[in-house]
Amino acid sequence: KAGVTQTPRYLIKTRGQQVTLSCSPISGHRSVSWYQQTPGQGLQFLFEYFSETQRNKGNFPGRFSGRQFSNSRSEMNVSTLELGDSALYLCASSLAGTATNEKLFFGSGTQLSVL
Amino acid sequence: EDQVTQSPEALRLQEGESSSLNCSYTVSGLRGLFWYRQDPGKGPEFLFTLYSAGEEKEKERLKATLTKKESFLHITAPKPEDSATYLCAVQARNNFNKFYFGSGTKLNVKP
Repeated sequence: KAGVTQTPRYLIKTRGQQVTLSCSPISGHRSVSWYQQTPGQGLQFLFEYFSETQRNKGNFPGRFSGRQFSNSRSEMNVSTLELGDSALYLCASSLAGTATNEKLFFGSGTQLSVL
Repeated sequence: EDQVTQSPEALRLQEGESSSLNCSYTVSGLRGLFWYRQDPGKGPEFLFTLYSAGEEKEKERLKATLTKKESFLHITAPKPEDSATYLCAVQARNNFNKFYFGSGTKLNVKP
């Protein structure tokens, strides 16, 4: 069974640009979450989608947005990039995000560098 | 506010030297506490879930325990392949699809 796939693996952008990251969850998983990981802050929750609906959102500015498609694949978009957006963006999937033992399965992440 | 604090930030051990990693948490109604392992260049990989104070889980050289305010990850006789960053995360009862992660403990086991 294939794991969570994130593309691209690396991205280099300049300030002011926008970027779109992609995530394909494990087959059968309907919940997709996004996290930002930085050395100082650790993993911070961005948002979670289930059946194309955003169910929860973290404390990030509106420049960060996402969506989920009918096949559960998800994309995350960051507009007007800032230097502080440089981070590893991790996508995680789970079956439904409601059961007690709902562990997350993570992809390898997209390393975004903003110059 | 729900939050997780892990200590130490970094830990260097000699092979065979046992130790413990700490995860202190504040959450409005704990639904579950999770431990993950993260290797360089990879996403976190699930290790354990603990649900209530007094619970313990074991896997090879790792044992996780839980109290009402903290969790410990005990590493017995570690090997170099145990070197990784260990992350702790909590899930609240009223916010089950959002996980609060600590900053992690980077473990380095020297042969």
